[in-house]
Amino acid sequence: GENVEQHPSTLSVQEGDSAVIKCTYSDSASNYFPWYKQELGKGPQLIIDIRSNVGEKKDQRIAVTLNKTAKHFSLHITETQPEDSAVYFCAASTMGRRALTFGSGTRLQVQP
Amino acid sequence: SQTIHQWPATLVQPVGSPLSLECTVEGTSNPNLYWYRQAAGRGLQLLFYSVGIGQISSEVPQNLSASRPQDRQFILSSKKLLLSDSGFYLCAWSVTSAEQYFGPGTRLTVT
Repeated sequence: GENVEQHPSTLSVQEGDSAVIKCTYSDSASNYFPWYKQELGKGPQLIIDIRSNVGEKKDQRIAVTLNKTAKHFSLHITETQPEDSAVYFCAASTMGRRALTFGSGTRLQVQP
Repeated sequence: SQTIHQWPATLVQPVGSPLSLECTVEGTSNPNLYWYRQAAGRGLQLLFYSVGIGQISSEVPQNLSASRPQDRQFILSSKKLLLSDSGFYLCAWSVTSAEQYFGPGTRLTVT
C-alpha cells in the first residue's frame, strides 16, 4: 500500500520568514496530494491540494509543488504569520480509491 | 454550504463499556463518509468508509464497527472499549473520491 513520509516533524520560523514542509510517497499510482492544517483540538482543514497533472499550485501565501519522477511534494508558506502556527499534514491517494494516506505531521511554530 | 457535525466533543469511558459516536452531514446528498482515528501526536488512520446507506468498508481490523443508517449519518461503535481505543476520532465527507472535509472530532479517553 501507499506510504507517505513527512519532514520535518517540527519547524520553528520567525514571523515573515518562509516555511517549507516536504513529503515523499511510495505508490507511483497516487495522483492526488492534499495538505491539511490542524489547530489544537480541532479537525484538519484542507488548505490546498494538487493533482498529478500539475507541477505547482499557488493560493496567496501558500504554494505546493509536485515532482512525480522523484515522488515528492512540498508545501511552501511565505511571509509566515503567528496564525500559521499549527500542525500540517500531507496526504496522498489515487483518485477513484477512497483512502487518503497521511504523513505523520509537522508542527509549525511561527515566532512573533 | 456543507456542514459536518460530530458528537460528543469529548468522552471519558471505562474499559469494557460500549461506545457510540455520531457524525452527520448537512447540505449535500449521498456523500462518501469516513471515520479516522488520530493517536496523540500522530497522523490520521482510516478506520471505515461508506459510499452509501448500509455500505461499510473496514480498513483496519479492530474492536470497532461502523454503521450508516441514513444517507448523511455515520456512527462509530464498540461493544467493549479497550485502553488502546483512546484517541481523537474524526469523521470526514466527500462528494468525489478526492477532497475530504473533516468534522471537529471527538476526544475519547478510555480509563
